[in-house]
Amino acid sequence: DTAVSQTPKYLVTQMGNDKSIKCEQNLGHDTMYWYKQDSKKFLKIMFSYNNKELIINETVPNRFSPKSPDKAHLNLHINSLELGDSAVYFCASSQFGGGGQPQHFGDGTRLSIL
Amino acid sequence: RKEVEQDPGPFNVPEGATVAFNCTYSNSASQSFFWYRQDCRKEPKLLMSVYSSGNEDGRFTAQLNRASQYISLLIRDSKLSDSATYLCAVNQAGTALIFGKGTTLSVSS
Repeated sequence: DTAVSQTPKYLVTQMGNDKSIKCEQNLGHDTMYWYKQDSKKFLKIMFSYNNKELIINETVPNRFSPKSPDKAHLNLHINSLELGDSAVYFCASSQFGGGGQPQHFGDGTRLSIL
Repeated sequence: RKEVEQDPGPFNVPEGATVAFNCTYSNSASQSFFWYRQDCRKEPKLLMSVYSSGNEDGRFTAQLNRASQYISLLIRDSKLSDSATYLCAVNQAGTALIFGKGTTLSVSS
């Protein structure tokens, strides 16, 4: 059973397009996250949701819009894709937010912008 | 000063060697500390949490030094399968994890 699953695993698209990445966790966790890992391998937080509510929104262009229909799902929609959006996007979850809890990661979505 | 800093390496060691990585953090309010392992083109996986008194899991030992604001990871008797990037992660209450850029370890036979 996959604990944190993301789809699609690979996404190749053209500049200017709009795309979505989906994430689901079956761990019963309350908190979910989106991270971006760029070509220099730096893993940076983008958003965090706790029980469907946005709790962390780092400095991310508003072309990125997360949506959490329920606490087991956190999707990421990206409008007007740019070359700089090429990266690996990881979804993660933890039992609670607020620190102290390790996070479990999905296996990533590799986004390539042509 | 970056929030979480690690020596990127690479650390190239022979099988059986002992190797240690350090990770410094800038925010003295940091409360939780972790080591993750990331294999090439894979997701980060939790290796171990780091507790104030230090903790050990098999060949791996983690230490926290709050006064000097760093955490360390010691790997004894290195195996080929230990080759990976090791990420330290730190957070304060109410925030997400802040990751270092990782230290690359290559163990050779």
